[in-house]
Amino acid sequence: GAVVSQHPSRVICKSGTSVKIECRSLDFQATTMFWYRQFPKQSLMLMATSNEGSKATYEQGVEKDKFLINHASLTLSTLTVTSAHPEDSSFYICSCSGATNEKLFFGSGTQLSVL
Amino acid sequence: GENVEQHPSTLSVQEGDSAVIKCTYSDSASNYFPWYKQELGKGPQLIIDIRSNVGEKKDQRIAVTLNKTAKHFSLHITETQPEDSAVYFCAAVSGGSYIPTFGRGTSLIVHP
Repeated sequence: GAVVSQHPSRVICKSGTSVKIECRSLDFQATTMFWYRQFPKQSLMLMATSNEGSKATYEQGVEKDKFLINHASLTLSTLTVTSAHPEDSSFYICSCSGATNEKLFFGSGTQLSVL
Repeated sequence: GENVEQHPSTLSVQEGDSAVIKCTYSDSASNYFPWYKQELGKGPQLIIDIRSNVGEKKDQRIAVTLNKTAKHFSLHITETQPEDSAVYFCAAVSGGSYIPTFGRGTSLIVHP
């Protein structure tokens, strides 16, 4: 399967700081990238969908000014959690799909802990 | 929108036994059904998928069956091993959407 690299795998930060998470598709061009949030023992919650070169589409209830998504190229998308607070602590996962393939390949996830 | 129900939420088996996880979906337009395995602290990994024009697909110890009429699909794991222990998610994708709707997951525990 395709390889999706996500960094960092774990980050601990103080409340009020911003955290950037990177997601790269290493061996294919990702037309669409998805960002998910996952709480312990729960399913994946879609936060937003991003297409290269256009603004991300956010799911209802997800603050676009809080979770900034940039999809600047066909191989890179970033999620920035701005002014993080303890309630933002969660496992964040990106996934990618190609132009004609509905298969989704996931990154390894980022565990964010806000103190 | 699509709604995917997944059962059971927890499944405990002895090594060597078979495990079956079942999912139902609501949207008849869904035509692609992937299954993901998620180990603790990692992202989900695609393990097998099936399209609506196929009734069954097998890959070594893993198989998936699809009943379009009843709108349900199942994951079958034979000869389970301790390394099969993980959370498994089913998903349904509606044609043209490319956005999967996930089930709530099944925690599979394989006892040695």
